[in-house]
Amino acid sequence: DGGITQSPKYLFRKEGQNVTLSCEQNLNHDAMYWYRQDPGQGLRLIYYSQIVNDFQKGDIAEGYSVSREKKESFPLTVTSAQKNPTAFYLCASSLLDRAYGYTFGSGTRLTVV
Amino acid sequence: QQQVKQSPQSLIVQKGGISIINCAYENTAFDYFPWYQQFPGKGPALLIAIRPDVSEKKEGRFTISFNKSAKQFSLHIMDSQPGDSATYFCAASIRGNAGNMLTFGGGTRLMVKP
Repeated sequence: DGGITQSPKYLFRKEGQNVTLSCEQNLNHDAMYWYRQDPGQGLRLIYYSQIVNDFQKGDIAEGYSVSREKKESFPLTVTSAQKNPTAFYLCASSLLDRAYGYTFGSGTRLTVV
Repeated sequence: QQQVKQSPQSLIVQKGGISIINCAYENTAFDYFPWYQQFPGKGPALLIAIRPDVSEKKEGRFTISFNKSAKQFSLHIMDSQPGDSATYFCAASIRGNAGNMLTFGGGTRLMVKP
């Protein structure tokens, strides 16, 4: 079955530590996205990529970094510069040439300990 | 001009009632309007979508009503069930523009009481 896989489901980060969240899709989608969701809040765009080796900052990119070395993969690194990283992180993917919306992963819940 | 405004932020409905969530937009170039349903601890899933050439689309108990002149669209959930309790997001995009990037509304938390 095609879909998006996010791992891990839960992640704990110590103060000052970088952590990387994985996102893999086998839908042959061109575009991939990372969103942050705080409790009871909406979706805020962190980064997006429409083609391999290229990505763009979203609304809240500070303290985050990404790479897109393969079409299928779009990992997100939460760096120590992100002062309030505790949140639910969602990865999504979509086609570029047809508006069929996004397919989301099941999310990673990151907690600072 | 890229905003999509969603209301209400939260909604409580009795079982069997009708849940109504509204969204408004400014950019008349938007041409695809999906709704997403998100259960706690899960990613949003596409529920139903509409294009502006139709005024209504129905799938089971879920209906999108679209008013192009008012730049508004709404989700109606008929015979609401406790299992419908979730957060709902409306969204809009411009086909072919910037890769069909979606602009999301702020979300509505729906609780259906048994």
